[in-house]
Amino acid sequence: SQQGEEDPQALSIQEGENATMNCSYKTSINNLQWYRQNSGRGLVHLILIRSNEREKHSGRLRVTLDTSKKSSSLLITASRAADTASYFCATGSGGSNYKLTFGKGTLLTVNP
Amino acid sequence: DTEVTQTPKHLVMGMTNKKSLKCEQHMGHRAMYWYKQKAKKPPELMFVYSYEKLSINESVPSRFSPECPNSSLLNLHLHALQPEDSALYLCASRSATYEQYFGPGTRLTVT
Repeated sequence: SQQGEEDPQALSIQEGENATMNCSYKTSINNLQWYRQNSGRGLVHLILIRSNEREKHSGRLRVTLDTSKKSSSLLITASRAADTASYFCATGSGGSNYKLTFGKGTLLTVNP
Repeated sequence: DTEVTQTPKHLVMGMTNKKSLKCEQHMGHRAMYWYKQKAKKPPELMFVYSYEKLSINESVPSRFSPECPNSSLLNLHLHALQPEDSALYLCASRSATYEQYFGPGTRLTVT
């Protein structure tokens, strides 16, 4: 069963604007990850945040995690047309049987 | 080398055929994954191999048979598939810090 639920399902913005995507999940996690997928291709890892972390930055990306609310957000600042893609959050759990469970994803369109 | 390769890129097969998908990584990762992804849906986990042993099978039908010949290779053997099995099949390997590296996928069409 799917763990994460992204919000919104689709987001359309202009180049230069910021994009915020949210993810909620239901059970306890070891970490939460965000991935990007361009149409019909493999997923690219963006950022991982551990369950004991609250915020993490990587370039134009900022991720927050609120374990009390079981939610995370991904902020992309100063968006570019090349950021157009689907973005998935994925919750990681399990020790030796570690696995990711992906949310439904947000389709981001950045208009030039 | 942070690349995961998958072959073939595209595969069309009939319901009576037997085919195999291949995945390779040379990052020294000891966990590898098969996912199935339908259009406009998230990836769904099928199998996990850890240290060349099958550690997770997400109740996948037996017409899908995974194999891990060594720490760099992962195969998915296909037999007697159904049209609803048409999808993008993604392979991934997992680093020691839990990031997953995905291959470009095999687009499978079952006719």
